Amino acid sequence: NAGVTQTPKFQVLKTGQSMTLQCAQDMNHNSMYWYRQDPGMGLRLIYYSASEGTTDKGEVPNGYNVSRLNKREFSLRLESAAPSQTSVYFCASSEDVTYYGYTFGSGTRLTVV
Amino acid sequence: RKEVEQDPGPFNVPEGATVAFNCTYSNSASQSFFWYRQDCRKEPKLLMSVYSSGNEDGRFTAQLNRASQYISLLIRDSKLSDSATYLCVANQAGTALIFGKGTTLSVSS
Repeated sequence: NAGVTQTPKFQVLKTGQSMTLQCAQDMNHNSMYWYRQDPGMGLRLIYYSASEGTTDKGEVPNGYNVSRLNKREFSLRLESAAPSQTSVYFCASSEDVTYYGYTFGSGTRLTVV
Repeated sequence: RKEVEQDPGPFNVPEGATVAFNCTYSNSASQSFFWYRQDCRKEPKLLMSVYSSGNEDGRFTAQLNRASQYISLLIRDSKLSDSATYLCVANQAGTALIFGKGTTLSVSS
């Protein structure tokens, strides 16, 4: 089982560039999530999708957009990257967050210069 | 106030020691709780789920006190391989998980 797959694993962007982080899960989970993790700040929720066709803002959505392309895929887009978006980004999915928690992808390390 | 708070540590213990981590949460409506383990430069992985009053899995025991809004993780007979960051997590009304900033454990020989 691949679980949750994130691409790319590493990326360097220049300020103002755009990019899309891809996430796909093969566990038939309904809900998917995007978090960022920064030193001293912990994991913070950017956006989530409780089911195919729905998306909702989390704690830190500014500067990001998301697309739930289908049940398997949930992408995160940075339209105009800023140095403050330098972070490690984790995608996660869940069958039922109350009982099973999340399965995480291996993360994308993004540096904006 | 951060919704889930943990002592960041680090906790430095010798092999074989017993160590306990504490966590408090602010949202009394939280329905379930988890402990995740995160190794350096890796993704978090589920260690234990915590329901009702708590549960045990081998050397690991998690306890929940809803009245005090307090969760703990006890590790007995610590191993070198237990060195990691431990994340306390609360379920936010069934929609998403709220993570504490983590407690770092270092086990030495």
